[in-house]
Amino acid sequence: GAVVSQHPSWVICKSGTSVKIECRSLDFQATTMFWYRQFPKQSLMLMATSNEGSKATYEQGVEKDKFLINHASLTLSTLTVTSAHPEDSSFYICSARWDRGHQPQHFGDGTRLSIL
Amino acid sequence: GQNIDQPTEMTATEGAIVQINCTYQTSGFNGLFWYQQHAGEAPTFLSYNVLDGLEEKGRFSSFLSRSKGYSYLLLKELQMKDSASYLCAVSDSNYQLIWGAGTKLIIKP
Repeated sequence: GAVVSQHPSWVICKSGTSVKIECRSLDFQATTMFWYRQFPKQSLMLMATSNEGSKATYEQGVEKDKFLINHASLTLSTLTVTSAHPEDSSFYICSARWDRGHQPQHFGDGTRLSIL
Repeated sequence: GQNIDQPTEMTATEGAIVQINCTYQTSGFNGLFWYQQHAGEAPTFLSYNVLDGLEEKGRFSSFLSRSKGYSYLLLKELQMKDSASYLCAVSDSNYQLIWGAGTKLIIKP
């Protein structure tokens, strides 16, 4: 149980392109979903937290207009990297959690984004 | 401020036992999680402690002392596939996860 599917796994695209990443909880309803970014050999960095039906809460330093998050249902959240540039190249990982903090976050497999 | 400390890197021998420590200072406490992350992959959940004591799950055990702000992850009968980063994370008073930087565990034959 507690499977989170993230798609796509890899994206390579040109600078200026917008990229959409999907995160789905397959066998549970995710009260909260999280988006992380991880650069090589560095720790996870939380970008934003989203609850179904409400606006995402972004961490300090993360541009809301750059990283658009939509949590339209209890099983789906999307992250759109708008007008991506090479410095946005990173490993993006989503996680989902049912109920509150007593439950673990379950992670998707991540999306490796490379902007040329 | 909120802070999670764990060693950056540890080395152990196949078949041995290793203990990875984690100390924390957070605003509130709603449990401590351990995750395993292999290089290039997403983290996978290992354990959750909210009460003091030892939780055992096969070769892996996790211990918590809330009064000391301390936890450890114990890995027994180490296998080469256990080479990974181990992340300690604390759920604070707002149920936000505060992440440690991770401990890279290297297993040698």
